[in-house]
Amino acid sequence: ETGVTQSPTHLIKTRGQQVTLRCSSQSGHNTVSWYQQALGQGPQFIFQYYREEENGRGNFPPRFSGLQFPNYSSELNVNALELDDSALYLCASSLEPSGAKTEAFFGQGTRLTVV
Amino acid sequence: RKEVEQDPGPFNVPEGATVAFNCTYSNSASQSFFWYRQDCRKEPKLLMSVYSSGNEDGRFTAQLNRASQYISLLIRDSKLSDSATYLCVVTAGRRALTFGSGTRLQVQP
Repeated sequence: ETGVTQSPTHLIKTRGQQVTLRCSSQSGHNTVSWYQQALGQGPQFIFQYYREEENGRGNFPPRFSGLQFPNYSSELNVNALELDDSALYLCASSLEPSGAKTEAFFGQGTRLTVV
Repeated sequence: RKEVEQDPGPFNVPEGATVAFNCTYSNSASQSFFWYRQDCRKEPKLLMSVYSSGNEDGRFTAQLNRASQYISLLIRDSKLSDSATYLCVVTAGRRALTFGSGTRLQVQP
């Protein structure tokens, strides 16, 4: 086990609705990154939070937003859900921002289905 | 063009075989390189980092060619438990991980 937990594990939402996904990072890790993995694809970077501040963003529209809390847990919010948002959403925590020689530990993911 | 490109496979090999996966990356500023393993419907897990001098971990050997922007993973004496998707990952500086689409390996008895 990586010590990174995500909730919920599965979720079904209707197009146009809003969703909040949650992540508890590994103890001592101050960096959380979120990724979207569509079926048959590799994970795509959404954004990263470091010490409660956004520290980089991938090519995702503004309706994807996030938060990091003082205990370094994190939320991913998606507004106005579209069918193409159906994917596995992965949270990864690390000691420092990704890209340094620091291993990223992934949670088990939240599988979101938009109907 | 994708930043990280991999042959999607699947690679179907018998137990005991040697199999090699390749990966190319487009960002010449990439500094760190990894192979991750992902089992079906599970999260990715770090298999090994890849260094310029090449590195080995048991049955697994990783190589990096910066001039050609090419990374490889060699698995010797394949086991049934090696069946998974192998993700090539690169990163530049403090940027987040950039994943390839993965190569699926199926080891058959």
